Amino acid sequence: ETGVTQSPTHLIKTRGQQVTLRCSSQSGHNTVSWYQQALGQGPQFIFQYYREEENGRGNFPPRFSGLQFPNYSSELNVNALELDDSALYLCASSSQRGTSTDTQYFGPGTRLTVL
Amino acid sequence: AQSVTQLDSHVSVSEGTPVLLRCNYSSSYSPSLFWYVQHPNKGLQLLLKYTSAATLVKGINGFEAEFKKSETSFHLTKPSAHMSDAAEYFCVVRGWVGNDMRFGAGTRLTVKP
Repeated sequence: ETGVTQSPTHLIKTRGQQVTLRCSSQSGHNTVSWYQQALGQGPQFIFQYYREEENGRGNFPPRFSGLQFPNYSSELNVNALELDDSALYLCASSSQRGTSTDTQYFGPGTRLTVL
Repeated sequence: AQSVTQLDSHVSVSEGTPVLLRCNYSSSYSPSLFWYVQHPNKGLQLLLKYTSAATLVKGINGFEAEFKKSETSFHLTKPSAHMSDAAEYFCVVRGWVGNDMRFGAGTRLTVKP
């Protein structure tokens, strides 16, 4: 069974640029969630995708957007990068969307640095 | 709204001694609660979860947690710490309806030889 994978591992961008992060969900999972983890803090929920539709969103501006593909892999896009966007971006997949027993399995993350 | 508070930002123990990481929760519904561990430069790994079955939950690597509704707590324990337990630990709450997992700020566990 293949776990959740993310690419790239590290990324350096400058303010104002755009970035795309990628995530492959665990085999058999149809739901992908994205989180932002700033240094020294817990992860913050960005949004979730279920069967190619956005299924919920945290308190992040519209310049954070996403996609989910038919194979359930996903992308996180961030436009007009700001310095505060520097963080570890985590992707998690699960198979029981939005239920109380939904267990999310996390990838290793992408470290984004904005200069 | 649901939230968790991890009462200690840093806990230091000696190898072979017990571990206690404290978490209090707030939830409008009967909550689902999780503990995740994050080793340096690694993703989050699920340790255990509570979903309204048994109040004492056993997880991986000898960890367990007890759900106490009267105290709104979900503390994580381990009888004997190992050097490999050194990591960041996160308490997480989910509501009955929804897809938003709320993480605590984390507790860094240091294990001294």
